[in-house]
Amino acid sequence: DAGVIQSPRHEVTEMGQEVTLRCKPISGHNSLFWYRQTMMRGLELLIYFNNNVPIDDSGMPEDRFSAKMPNASFSTLKIQPSEPRDSAVYFCASSGGGALNTEAFFGQGTRLTVV
Amino acid sequence: SQQGEEDPQALSIQEGENATMNCSYKTSINNLQWYRQNSGRGLVHLILIRSNEREKHSGRLRVTLDTSKKSSSLLITASRAADTASYFCATVSGANSKLTFGKGITLSVRP
Repeated sequence: DAGVIQSPRHEVTEMGQEVTLRCKPISGHNSLFWYRQTMMRGLELLIYFNNNVPIDDSGMPEDRFSAKMPNASFSTLKIQPSEPRDSAVYFCASSGGGALNTEAFFGQGTRLTVV
Repeated sequence: SQQGEEDPQALSIQEGENATMNCSYKTSINNLQWYRQNSGRGLVHLILIRSNEREKHSGRLRVTLDTSKKSSSLLITASRAADTASYFCATVSGANSKLTFGKGITLSVRP
């Protein structure tokens, strides 16, 4: 398996533009997590899905952020409109057992810069 | 919000020495995990310890868990320069198995 695949790896966009980050989890995994990492705030859990259903989105910063998981093999995180403070590395991770007793596998991340 | 808090924030040791990193958390957990992150890369899982376990080993790694103190420690024995990385503890808690991370510890191993 190729692991968790995120795209793009790098994204530079202007303030106000819409940004869409993509994630393909490991086949067979039923849990998917979106995290944001910054120097100041560390690794923050934004939202996670079990069996394509959003379970906890309490970490989503505000209404400008939205996430979808239309099927078991694809998820998106959208920011509209983007702001400079959204600049961060965004990670997607998947797990085979809801993270209850199994490890989470991380993608390489998307480095987002909003100018 | 962070569930786990690692200590120290940064650690610098000589190759061959042991490295001990600590993690404290706030609420009851299902399990606790340690991850490693090399600069510019994603996190890689190292070891998982369940709430009913007290100690676990994996190669040069030893993890302990004290649920009464809500704390865990990660020991890396005979450190190598290649162990230089950031280390994170993560807790799984709640019926929905929420996985949350601390801010991490930066470990530097001098050759």
